[in-house]
Amino acid sequence: SQTIHQWPATLVQPVGSPLSLECTVEGTSNPNLYWYRQAAGRGLQLLFYSVGIGQISSEVPQNLSASRPQDRQFILSSKKLLLSDSGFYLCAWSVLRQGSGGYTFGSGTRLTVV
Amino acid sequence: AQTVTQSQPEMSVQEAETVTLSCTYDTSENNYYLFWYKQPPSRQMILVIRQEAYKQQNATENRFSVNFQKAAKSFSLKISDSQLGDTAMYFCAFMGQDSNYQLIWGAGTKLIIKP
Repeated sequence: SQTIHQWPATLVQPVGSPLSLECTVEGTSNPNLYWYRQAAGRGLQLLFYSVGIGQISSEVPQNLSASRPQDRQFILSSKKLLLSDSGFYLCAWSVLRQGSGGYTFGSGTRLTVV
Repeated sequence: AQTVTQSQPEMSVQEAETVTLSCTYDTSENNYYLFWYKQPPSRQMILVIRQEAYKQQNATENRFSVNFQKAAKSFSLKISDSQLGDTAMYFCAFMGQDSNYQLIWGAGTKLIIKP
């Protein structure tokens, strides 16, 4: 069965420090991968998506970047965190060009920039 | 462009009651998918129910069912015999070919089940 792992669960980082959040998927190949951010009590904002290794599309220009070094690995990074980067980050995967399954989400990372 | 609208920012009902959450969407596509996701206080995003637009029969999953009105572009979620564990944010989402099979999200409805 397919599973998605996202870590860490909680992170407190000082302003100006780097960031690396990792997401891995098991039990499927060539998935679509997504990074979302969610402010408290708000909806989901798509940050990046990837349809294959090395293929990254950015939805919102910002202080963050994403990489997909392996088929089932998706990394969210920042060189220097801002206070506004605080939020809840969710990774998700879906089957390429198929809608029936929807998205499966990781358990999320709560990032607090201080 | 496709849009999804959830007109109820917050709702509350007593335990064991039935509650209906509203969702409308806008699209020019004929074949697409609709979803309801639940996000409890743990913030894990959980798929509740899905509907394929080409299926006329409304999807059901135990206490959860949908009322899919394709012509009206309406996709409401009914929760029967509500339980305290149903307290969560509920998001309606649309997926179609024109959006490259990316989910288009509603703003969410906060549902509170009172004991």
